[in-house]
Amino acid sequence: NAGVTQTPKFRVLKTGQSMTLLCAQDMNHEYMYWYRQDPGMGLRLIHYSVGEGTTAKGEVPDGYNVSRLKKQNFLLGLESAAPSQTSVYFCATKGGTPLGYEQYFGPGTRLTVT
Amino acid sequence: AQTVTQSQPEMSVQEAETVTLSCTYDTSESDYYLFWYKQPPSRQMILVIRQEAYKQQNATENRFSVNFQKAAKSFSLKISDSQLGDAAMYFCAYGAGSYQLTFGKGTKLSVIP
Repeated sequence: NAGVTQTPKFRVLKTGQSMTLLCAQDMNHEYMYWYRQDPGMGLRLIHYSVGEGTTAKGEVPDGYNVSRLKKQNFLLGLESAAPSQTSVYFCATKGGTPLGYEQYFGPGTRLTVT
Repeated sequence: AQTVTQSQPEMSVQEAETVTLSCTYDTSESDYYLFWYKQPPSRQMILVIRQEAYKQQNATENRFSVNFQKAAKSFSLKISDSQLGDAAMYFCAYGAGSYQLTFGKGTKLSVIP
């Protein structure tokens, strides 16, 4: 089992360009999350999904869109990249009931916007 | 809103010694979970230990243990017999009610040979 995978691992964008980050999981988990990690800020939730076809906003959703068309995939889109979106992006999944189960993380994507 | 505070941005410990990382949180919930995650230089987030708020007994996983003080809203991580491989960022996280985790800003742990 691959667990949680993220594509790509690294990306450099110019301001105004768009891109999509793909998160894929083979654990049959209902819940999926997108976080960003910035130096000294910990991890902050961008968007999340509680099941196929559902999405919801997290703490820092502005400038991002998401889709969960298939249970195993969660896509994070940047329509018009800005330097403030330079960060490391993590996808995570969780099974079971909402409370009590840990989240499993992907390896991260380092995005630089110039 | 829930907040998680890690007051030690950086810590260091001699190899084979014991170190304690601090974490406090703010919540009005009575039922919640607390986690410690480790992030080595590889960037992978790894679960170290989990504590259920309704359990009075402190969680233990091999060399890792917690001191959970519910009334004080404190959740510290103790690493015994520190090893070079323990060097990493450590994040405290809180989860309750909603589906998300709230993370602290992290503590960078260095292990001195």
